[in-house]
Amino acid sequence: GDSVTQMEGPVTLSEEAFLTINCTYTATGYPSLFWYVQYPGEGLQLLLKATKADDKGSNKGFEATYRKETTSFHLEKGSVQVSDSAVYFCALRVLNSGGSNYKLTFGKGTLLTVNP
Amino acid sequence: GAGVSQSPSNKVTEKGKDVELRCDPISGHTALYWYRQSLGQGLEFLIYFQGNSAPDKSGLPSDRFSAERTGGSVSTLTIQRTQQEDSAVYLCASSLVQYQETQYFGPGTRLLVL
Repeated sequence: GDSVTQMEGPVTLSEEAFLTINCTYTATGYPSLFWYVQYPGEGLQLLLKATKADDKGSNKGFEATYRKETTSFHLEKGSVQVSDSAVYFCALRVLNSGGSNYKLTFGKGTLLTVNP
Repeated sequence: GAGVSQSPSNKVTEKGKDVELRCDPISGHTALYWYRQSLGQGLEFLIYFQGNSAPDKSGLPSDRFSAERTGGSVSTLTIQRTQQEDSAVYLCASSLVQYQETQYFGPGTRLLVL
């Protein structure tokens, strides 16, 4: 079946440090890939997405590139801020032969804490 | 604008009791999803509603779990005869049907079964 594996946390960084959160996947179809973020006390929000191989999703200084050859979608940011402290979830959605699939398959989440 | 809202935000119950969790989706979103987030686990899909179509219940873990969506808007997830392993955060999300990959999540209901 479809699955997502992301690096276990927690990850603790100092402000302005470089961030990488690894995410790899297995999928039976043609996945779209996502990063969702959950800030303290808030619901999950879509951070960025990529729908086909070699696409790069980006938002708020975060980037992730869809690498089909390594089945990866690692999240990166060049300089983190205290406000980036949150739980980050990697997810995928597989399009079936009918062209639609609404189920998101999530990783377990990675807690990021950024200290000033 | 108003996002997805869920109530209650926290619920503590005794083993064997029934609980109801409520979700108010974003107005105009015809697709509604329930997920469960157990301690140390990722989000687990439970059920999907789309308009008047029959819901996809394939993710419900047992027949103690049921959900309904009245009038194509508000949804209620019911857990009967709760067990301790039901303790989790229950998340609701909604989307426009043509943009199902962009799901908007509520803050969740944290359920603790004693």
